[in-house]
Amino acid sequence: QVQLVESGGGVVQPGRSLRLSCAGSGFTFSTYNLHWIRQIPGKGLEWVTMISYDGSNKNYADSVKGRFTISRDNSRDTVYVQMSRLTDEDSGLYFCVRGASGSRPFDYWGRGTLVTVSS
Amino acid sequence: DIQMTQSPSTLSASVGDRVTITCRASQSISSWLAWYQQKAGKAPKLLIYKASNLETGVPSRFSGSGSGTEFTLTISSLQPEDSATYYCHHYNNYPIAFGQGTRLEIK
Repeated sequence: QVQLVESGGGVVQPGRSLRLSCAGSGFTFSTYNLHWIRQIPGKGLEWVTMISYDGSNKNYADSVKGRFTISRDNSRDTVYVQMSRLTDEDSGLYFCVRGASGSRPFDYWGRGTLVTVSS
Repeated sequence: DIQMTQSPSTLSASVGDRVTITCRASQSISSWLAWYQQKAGKAPKLLIYKASNLETGVPSRFSGSGSGTEFTLTISSLQPEDSATYYCHHYNNYPIAFGQGTRLEIK
């Protein structure tokens, strides 16, 4: 079955960097776009970034543009987001989400990895 | 960038009630709108895509309508298991944007 497993979250000081990973399984990883969506616990959802199936196209939310970089390694079935110059507003649960085919937006979500930016 | 405004932010209704949640886009998104249900500690679950298409396995009491800038999610007969937070989002272009969410409570 399709699985997306995030890792790399933790507590980090403001201004520092962190890299999140998402390993996919149960599907042909190299044929799907992938997204990161975050949620402050008890708050709303915020789309963060996406990467196309072959890595040729990337998009970012204004709030992270210039600080976050998404990448993927299709040989390892893994997508990454490198987060730099972190602030407390970057704290939250980061979900890895698969882009769906057809007219549906997303179809599978991981369980998330928690990032806490705190001094 | 397109902004999404969802209302109400909280809603309390009784079992069997008809419930409507509204989502407005700051500019036309055609029908590129989805609705999700999220329960505590879980990832969001897709209910409706492309404004009015019911996701496979979702009960038929859920329906979506609208196009352009105004959209609604309707639950025709509220059930106890519908207690959750509901989100809309557009996927017309990037950046994708979510509404603020509607917390639905059962009286």
